[in-house]
Amino acid sequence: AQTVTQSQPEMSVQEAETVTLSCTYDTSESNYYLFWYKQPPSRQMILVIRQEAYKQQNATENRFSVNFQKAAKSFSLKISDSQLGDTAMYFCAFMKLTIGLIFGKGTKLSVKP
Amino acid sequence: GAVVSQHPSRVICKSGTSVKIECRSLDFQATTMFWYRQFPKQSLMLMATSNEGSKATYEQGVEKDKFLINHASLTLSTLTVTSAHPEDSSFYICSANSGTPKYNEQFFGPGTRLTVL
Repeated sequence: AQTVTQSQPEMSVQEAETVTLSCTYDTSESNYYLFWYKQPPSRQMILVIRQEAYKQQNATENRFSVNFQKAAKSFSLKISDSQLGDTAMYFCAFMKLTIGLIFGKGTKLSVKP
Repeated sequence: GAVVSQHPSRVICKSGTSVKIECRSLDFQATTMFWYRQFPKQSLMLMATSNEGSKATYEQGVEKDKFLINHASLTLSTLTVTSAHPEDSSFYICSANSGTPKYNEQFFGPGTRLTVL
């Protein structure tokens, strides 16, 4: 069975600074997808970034980038130039083809002015 | 972008009654829909996967007779919590997969807060 581990329950960062959220996962699959989702107080799940396991190049979306280490089964999220609107719960998630998402426990990120 | 709606957004019911939650994909056809449950200050846990026209696949530990899922069309899936009890109080979230080969992205609904008195 797949598992996703987020070891940082809470983190804080100053506005405009950079922060990295950690995620590790365990799977025997070779073809899968990894995601980072943001859940603000409204509780609407928002996709931040995705990574296909077969791609070696790390995904980047504006201020968000990942460090995907397939052999180490690590998938960290870096947020650059942090903004107050980035304050939210962040969930790392694993997906195998069209199977449902397996989420980590989440990291509560607070961006301080 | 793809939009998924849920109805109702909030429901309060008495213990022993049944509650139905609807999940609709508004601007795309969803080959697969998923139901998640999120307890306060916890992560999302996958409950079941439903494909249009076939029986849902439930995750281990989820009672299929208690959480009835019907995926009647490519745009609608319903979750019925039967004989609800206070421990069923939770935030229920659905997602829909358009089956786009490129990303297999899931689009999430806004969630339904169920409170059982």
